[in-house]
Amino acid sequence: DQQVKQNSPSLSVQEGRISILNCDYTNSMFDYFLWYKKYPAEGPTFLISISSIKDKNEDGRFTVFLNKSAKHLSLHIVPSQPGDSAVYFCAASESQGGSEKLVFGKGTKLTVNP
Amino acid sequence: KAGVTQTPRYLIKTRGQQVTLSCSPISGHRSVSWYQQTPGQGLQFLFEYFSETQRNKGNFPGRFSGRQFSNSRSEMNVSTLELGDSALYLCASSLLGTEKLFFGSGTQLSVL
Repeated sequence: DQQVKQNSPSLSVQEGRISILNCDYTNSMFDYFLWYKKYPAEGPTFLISISSIKDKNEDGRFTVFLNKSAKHLSLHIVPSQPGDSAVYFCAASESQGGSEKLVFGKGTKLTVNP
Repeated sequence: KAGVTQTPRYLIKTRGQQVTLSCSPISGHRSVSWYQQTPGQGLQFLFEYFSETQRNKGNFPGRFSGRQFSNSRSEMNVSTLELGDSALYLCASSLLGTEKLFFGSGTQLSVL
């Protein structure tokens, strides 16, 4: 049973345009969500996060939107740059005594074309 | 501040052997987690340690085990290796109480 789903395995956009990566979750107990970026042969790098008490968090070119009623979150990258080409993982956790267990989606491979 | 360090970077083993992977967390981080990444499966949680105690465990067979030392360094062991154990094994550390994990570059394990 996959609790965090990224239904698009890949996404291709033109440089300068907006990239929108989507993520759905099924566990209503999840209250913290994160996006990670991963380049080949490297570990994932934290990108941006959002708590369930918010519906939007912005950091430079990256914005995460959370729709709790739909159990859906999205990552917007504006404008997209070729260096953004990577695999993006959505992750979620539920507060349980500080446990650091994250549940990850399978990832979306973003390709930004010059 | 140095990042999470994992050794070795690459490892080739044959079926039936066992393997030990090592992870040194960021200085000051006392929580260490391990994840397995296989093609098309994303990252799957193996286990988490804090203060030498396993706090959480994923749905992996008992062949997968780990431990944490008093200096927060952690090791992961896989016994009786199977072909399906071929994967990238990622270690992550964090400050207790935050879900923000910092990952190492991983150990790429190939089982032949």
